Amino acid sequence: NAGVTQTPKFQVLKTGQSMTLQCAQDMNHEYMSWYRQDPGMGLRLIHYSVGAGITDQGEVPNGYNVSRSTTEDFPLRLLSAAPSQTSVYFCASSYGTGNEQFFGPGTRLTVL
Amino acid sequence: LAKTTQPISMDSYEGQEVNITCSHNNIATNDYITWYQQFPSQGPRFIIQGYKTKVTNEVASLFIPADRKSSTLSLPRVSLSDTAVYYCLVDAQGGFKTIFGAGTRLFVKA
Repeated sequence: NAGVTQTPKFQVLKTGQSMTLQCAQDMNHEYMSWYRQDPGMGLRLIHYSVGAGITDQGEVPNGYNVSRSTTEDFPLRLLSAAPSQTSVYFCASSYGTGNEQFFGPGTRLTVL
Repeated sequence: LAKTTQPISMDSYEGQEVNITCSHNNIATNDYITWYQQFPSQGPRFIIQGYKTKVTNEVASLFIPADRKSSTLSLPRVSLSDTAVYYCLVDAQGGFKTIFGAGTRLFVKA
C-alpha cells in the first residue's frame, strides 16, 4: 500500500492564482481531512469528509473548497491564493472517527 | 471539544525515560486520548491511544488516571531519534474535528 499520497510536494503561487492540492489514499478509509501547519505551530483542520459525497468545514475553512467524489481522493482547492495561505498542507485519512489517522508527506505552499 | 494543555518544550538525555503530561480538564465521556509524533518536514505519526488506566505498545506507554483529566506519555530510554514534537489529542468517537494544539517539542541530547 502507498498509504496517503499528496501532490505536489512544493508549489509557489502568485496572489490571486488558484490551484488544487491532490490527496489520495489506498486504504479504503472513509474519513479524510485536510490540515494546514504554519511555522512552529500545530495543525489546524481545514475541511474533512466522512465519506464519498460528504464534506464539512473544520476550524479554518475560508478560502478553501473540497469535494469527495470517490473514497480514494480528497482534493483541496485554493480559490484565490493569498500570502496568508503560505503553509504546509497535510492530508490524512482514517478508518473511522477516533481511529488512528495516517498522514501524507505534505505540500509546502508559498504564495507571493 | 476538549482543549489540551502540554508543556511547550522538554529536554532530555539519551537513555533517560521521558514523561510528557497533557491536561484535558473538559474531556467528555466518549473521548479517547491519542498521541502523535511529528518530525520536521513530515506528517504526524500515531504513537498510542487510550481511554483509561494504562496502555503500552512497543514504543510508549500511556497513563490515564481515573478522572481522565490528564494523561502522561512515557517514552522509555529515549534516543537522539526521538527528538520531535509530540501532540496530545482528545478525540471524540462520534466526531471528527480533531484539534492539534502546539504540541511539546522534545529535544534529546547526547
